Amino acid sequence: GIQVEQSPPDLILQEGANSTLRCNFSDSVNNLQWFHQNPWGQLINLFYIPSGTKQNGRLSATTVATERYSLLYISSSQTTDSGVYFCAPSAGGSYIPTFGRGTSLIVHP
Amino acid sequence: DSGVTQTPKHLITATGQRVTLRCSPRSGDLSVYWYQQSLDQGLQFLIQYYNGEERAKGNILERFSAQQFPDLHSELNLSSLELGDSALYFCASSARDNTGGSYNSPLHFGNGTRLTVT
Repeated sequence: GIQVEQSPPDLILQEGANSTLRCNFSDSVNNLQWFHQNPWGQLINLFYIPSGTKQNGRLSATTVATERYSLLYISSSQTTDSGVYFCAPSAGGSYIPTFGRGTSLIVHP
Repeated sequence: DSGVTQTPKHLITATGQRVTLRCSPRSGDLSVYWYQQSLDQGLQFLIQYYNGEERAKGNILERFSAQQFPDLHSELNLSSLELGDSALYFCASSARDNTGGSYNSPLHFGNGTRLTVT
């Protein structure tokens, strides 16, 4: 199956800082989603982005399918952004999302 | 609120026992997915149903089974439980079956059921 690598594994920021999270994947994707798991364990769908760029408030995501990576940008980070960010592409004949190990983000006030 | 409802929130049981986890998808969604999240394995796909039929199978043990009922709610049955089955079990739903074609739909997750096997 598809291999997913997320970097960095851990990230600590001061409130107001910007950050970029990266997701590399091993195969051509037909689908890619970004999720945020908050400290209470809830998994929230941030973006559905098989290609191109999307923006939602302070968050934006870009997927370059031909180069097999996706980026999640967080601007002006807030403490509520803390949690784990997962990239979940799907590839080939399977349209089921495969999750990476995530990037754990802590934002300090 | 994602609109996906999972019950119970927490479950504590003993080794060898059997439990049933329940999931109600978002209104209008026909597809249900089950995932297991553990510290060592991360988020692993177990099984998917679409409109009552099994559509895809992942790393699901033979001791585990699932079904989707005519009202579209789904149940995940875990039997002969072992200590290693302790995990957070998530249900997700989507509008489409996501098994092919040019259009797929995003997944929306419930809040999970935390299973502790003692």
